[in-house]
Amino acid sequence: DIQMTQSPSSLSASVGDRVTITCRASQSIITYLNWYQQKPGKVPKLLIYAASSLVSGVPSRFSGSGSGTYFTLTISSLQPEDFASYFCQQSYSRPPYTFGQGTKLEIK
Amino acid sequence: EAQLVESGGGLMQPGGSLRLSCAASGFTFSSYDMHWVRQATGKGLEWVSAIGTAGDTYYSGSVKGRVTISRENGKNLLLLQMNGLRVGDTAVYYCVRESQGDAFDIWGQGTVVTVSS
Repeated sequence: DIQMTQSPSSLSASVGDRVTITCRASQSIITYLNWYQQKPGKVPKLLIYAASSLVSGVPSRFSGSGSGTYFTLTISSLQPEDFASYFCQQSYSRPPYTFGQGTKLEIK
Repeated sequence: EAQLVESGGGLMQPGGSLRLSCAASGFTFSSYDMHWVRQATGKGLEWVSAIGTAGDTYYSGSVKGRVTISRENGKNLLLLQMNGLRVGDTAVYYCVRESQGDAFDIWGQGTVVTVSS
């Protein structure tokens, strides 16, 4: 099975900061990498698919990049509504459709 | 608008059985691969099972042999039969649609399964 490792597991930042979350795959997944946002008590929401394609309606301050085994999710200027948990997921080798362990983004 | 609504969760004793249901609406259910994903309180997302449009089924190692996924396209229903429940199965179970782009684009609100003696 492909393992997905996110870092950091938690992150404190301020409104307006630029933040980057990384996700590493245990083997190449080309660009079969998706990012999800989950706010407390809410359902996960798809933000980015195929490593860099933004879902319609997602603010442009979110961006994804990477290929192979290394991927990043960047928020260019944090807004109050962005404080949430973020999960990466590989869809290259399935099953299982492995998720990263998550990154909790908190207000500093 | 595409929507998924789960039901069937509850409090169960270890060793018990449970059937989760997911009612789909607002899209052509039969055209999509469907999944169950679970999340224990305070933990991450764990993929559980999937069923393809042709009825092909897939399971995570943690539930294989204890869980059966099925679909009733005529009723727009996704089902998950869970047997031999364990304390470790305690979680919110989400019904999820896989988009054409291999991502999970539509999530239900979740149904809570608690396994405790």
